[in-house]
Amino acid sequence: QSVLTQPPSASGAPGQRVTISCSGSSSNIGSNFVYWYQQLPGMAPKLLIYKNNQRPSGVPDRFSGSDSGTSASLAISGVRSEDEADYYCAAWDDSLSGWVFGGGTKLTVL
Amino acid sequence: ELQLVESGGGLVKPGGSLRLSCAASGFTFSSYSMNWVRQAPGKGLEWVASTSSSSGYIYYADSVKGRFTISRDNAKNSLYLQMNSLRAEDTAVYYCAGDPLGYCLDASCYRHSYGMDVWGQGTTVTVSS
Repeated sequence: QSVLTQPPSASGAPGQRVTISCSGSSSNIGSNFVYWYQQLPGMAPKLLIYKNNQRPSGVPDRFSGSDSGTSASLAISGVRSEDEADYYCAAWDDSLSGWVFGGGTKLTVL
Repeated sequence: ELQLVESGGGLVKPGGSLRLSCAASGFTFSSYSMNWVRQAPGKGLEWVASTSSSSGYIYYADSVKGRFTISRDNAKNSLYLQMNSLRAEDTAVYYCAGDPLGYCLDASCYRHSYGMDVWGQGTTVTVSS
């Protein structure tokens, strides 16, 4: 049971907008930044979004992050086949004094 | 090119020990906080431990506290994870990951993380008799 809750799966046709949610609590998302990681099949994770909505250089602007209260979302506009991957949200948890991850969402591009 | 290379994984019996290493290159290692994150077969990511750039602030997941020790040698650009009293549930791919957090002034510094923006390829640890 992960501290952050994500839907196990999401899907969309090429070109559609897909959103992935991440729900937490006041000790993590409610008081700290949210980070999103993309893990392509057989690869190491890659940082996609940091500090709620900032994109590292090289990450397409199709990817965007937002947060509200104790929840956050990752949006992918114009999803492509190469976006098929597992997506994880993460946040620092003040109560646990550690990083907490969501269980991951597997994105399928139809 | 920013690079992290893990080593030291392998097969170990329950109750045994293993020491993982992570060699960094292509960036100022001493300015990065460093983390170990693991992924059990077919499962999601699980944070294991973090150390600030000068080792002043170290944290562990409850699942490994008292059994695992994270350390770093900035002179050697290296990160380590000493794993003792290993259990079957420690079986996973172990990734080291770096965060360009800079120097931690206090224990709340991780709240200002820039994210784990450099990852190694992972090393596999299998705990089985």
